[in-house]
Amino acid sequence: KQEVTQIPAALSVPEGENLVLNCSFTDSAIYNLQWFRQDPGKGLTSLLLIQSSQREQTSGRLNASLDKSSGRSTLYIAASQPGDSATYLCAVPRTSGSRLTFGEGTQLTVNP
Amino acid sequence: DTGVSQDPRHKITKRGQNVTFRCDPISEHNRLYWYRQTLGQGPEFLTYFQNEAQLEKSRLLSDRFSAERPKGSFSTLEIQRTEQGDSAMYLCASSLVQGLYGYTFGSGTRLTVV
Repeated sequence: KQEVTQIPAALSVPEGENLVLNCSFTDSAIYNLQWFRQDPGKGLTSLLLIQSSQREQTSGRLNASLDKSSGRSTLYIAASQPGDSATYLCAVPRTSGSRLTFGEGTQLTVNP
Repeated sequence: DTGVSQDPRHKITKRGQNVTFRCDPISEHNRLYWYRQTLGQGPEFLTYFQNEAQLEKSRLLSDRFSAERPKGSFSTLEIQRTEQGDSAMYLCASSLVQGLYGYTFGSGTRLTVV
């Protein structure tokens, strides 16, 4: 059974800091890995999708890496802003279009 | 197409009542998923459809829960005889079978059972 763990559970940083969120998974047989953002009481917004054959993906100030063999992914946020405050979730499917297994998320607070 | 739509956004119901939620996926997506999320937890898988066929159901989906996707378009999730433990955010997502573009989630339906 796939298990996904996210560390830390919560993180508070001053504005402008660079930060790293971690995601680990127990079964390396994944099709891809997706990072989401969730604002309080809202749905999930996709941030980055990394296919299993890729090592990293970048979008603006966000960079996600994937090391499938070691079961790890990181989400790097550069020059954090108060608007980045949210919960960040990673999720993996075993095969194309199959169910996602989620971590419990990292709650990020960026203080002005 | 503006994405995945869920209705209602919020629902407050008395214990023992039945509730039904609706999800409209992205029109070209053939897979549709339901997840449940409680406070401080990641979403948990409930069930998913490919077109109109329900392909998988989680053990979390008790006999009081039923989901349908008639004609392979929108989907409904019904909870019968609601219990306080059913209070959660119910999230719908859709994707293509060829998961090159990942999963798109709706805004969710927040259920409160009083």
